[in-house]
Order: sequence, then C-alpha cells, then structure tokens
Amino acid sequence: GAGVSQSPSNKVTEKGKDVELRCDPISGHTALYWYRQSLGQGLEFLIYFQGNSAPDKSGLPSDRFSAERTGGSVSTLTIQRTQQEDSAVYLCASSPVGTKNTEAFFGQGTRLTVV
Amino acid sequence: AQSVTQPDIHITVSEGASLELRCNYSYGATPYLFWYVQSPGQGLQLLLKYFSGDTLVQGIKGFEAEFKRSQSSFNLRKPSVHWSDAAEYFCAVGVNNQGGKLIFGQGTELSVKP
Repeated sequence: GAGVSQSPSNKVTEKGKDVELRCDPISGHTALYWYRQSLGQGLEFLIYFQGNSAPDKSGLPSDRFSAERTGGSVSTLTIQRTQQEDSAVYLCASSPVGTKNTEAFFGQGTRLTVV
Repeated sequence: AQSVTQPDIHITVSEGASLELRCNYSYGATPYLFWYVQSPGQGLQLLLKYFSGDTLVQGIKGFEAEFKRSQSSFNLRKPSVHWSDAAEYFCAVGVNNQGGKLIFGQGTELSVKP
C-alpha cells in the first residue's frame, strides 16, 4: 500500500485479556518501529526492528509487551493480561533504512481502550 | 541522555498571524531533529527535518525551522497561520542520530482564532 497500515483502528478489551495489534509497513522498508502515545506519558518508543538483526526492545514497559516481525514485513505487537494503564494509541512507523538520513513514516495508529 | 523539551503546552494565535513553536534538545553531538504534526485522530506527519548543513530548513505547508547549536534549539516558524494549521506539533530528536528511533517532546497544541 501507499502508507503504513495498522489494524484494528480501535480496540476495546477487558482487563486481563490479551490483545494483538498489527502493522503493515511501507513495501520495501526494512526498519519498523512501535510507539505508544498516552495522555500521561506522551509519545514513547517501544521497539525497533531492522532487517534480520535482533530487535531493540529497550522501550518495552514490561514483560507483558512483546512484538514480532514475520518475513521482514508485517509486525504484531502483543500485550498480555492487559491493564487499564495500557490504554493508549499505539503507533507503528517504518523507514527505508534503520539509520542515517531518513525519517520514519507513521501509520494512523490503533486506539486501545482497556475497560 | 538525550531529551527534548517543548516549553509551551498550548498556544493560540489569530489566523494570519505569525507563529513560533519552541523546541530545545539535549544531545552532545549534532542531532537529527524533526518536527511532526498530528491532527485529531490522525497519525504523525513529518513537517521538516534537520540532519546537517544549512541550519534553516524548509518544510511542507509553509513551515520552516532553524537549528541553533548555541541555544540547543530547533524552533518551528510560519509567517502566516491558516485555520487548518490547528493541530498538535511534536519536536523530536533521533536517538544516536537515527532517523526512526525518536525521543519526542511533550507536544504543543496550536489553536487558531478566526
């Protein structure tokens, strides 16, 4: 597609349930990022995939959060045993290369509400 | 550690007036700097970026920003604001000069009066 695609656009889940959020990056982009945007914390980096390298997980807030990227393309962010503080907009971005002289292109985000 | 500060949480300007949004960063080397805009319910759109070279950068929608190393600033400007510019604006720095792993400021919400 023309841009980064995220699904679903909205997700309401019950506390304690697991959720999966999907990101389809721009075709050919080797780097993929997940961010979280919440009222209290602003925009926070979560995780970064670059090609076949081990992902940079330094921003994941707890071990309930994980992500994978299959075949170097689509990525799934999984939140286990969701808590109310996980309510946020989760943004995915991709870029043509992982470093240097390029910017990230963002998707529309998935708004997660934990009730 | 790298950081970004946007001192103004909310700014209101009249349509047609000039605009300056402030951004200060903390980083020892020459940083990669970005301004993004987010309209309600939308993702982030890149307005402009600075990697190196000319310290005055031009972006989309008539925006420009100036990198001032001595002041650790990267302020966003527009000479004449349009009602459609109402949105939230985020300044960001690339972690260790990466283009996609970013540290964002808290954002400045811009309102435009008719």
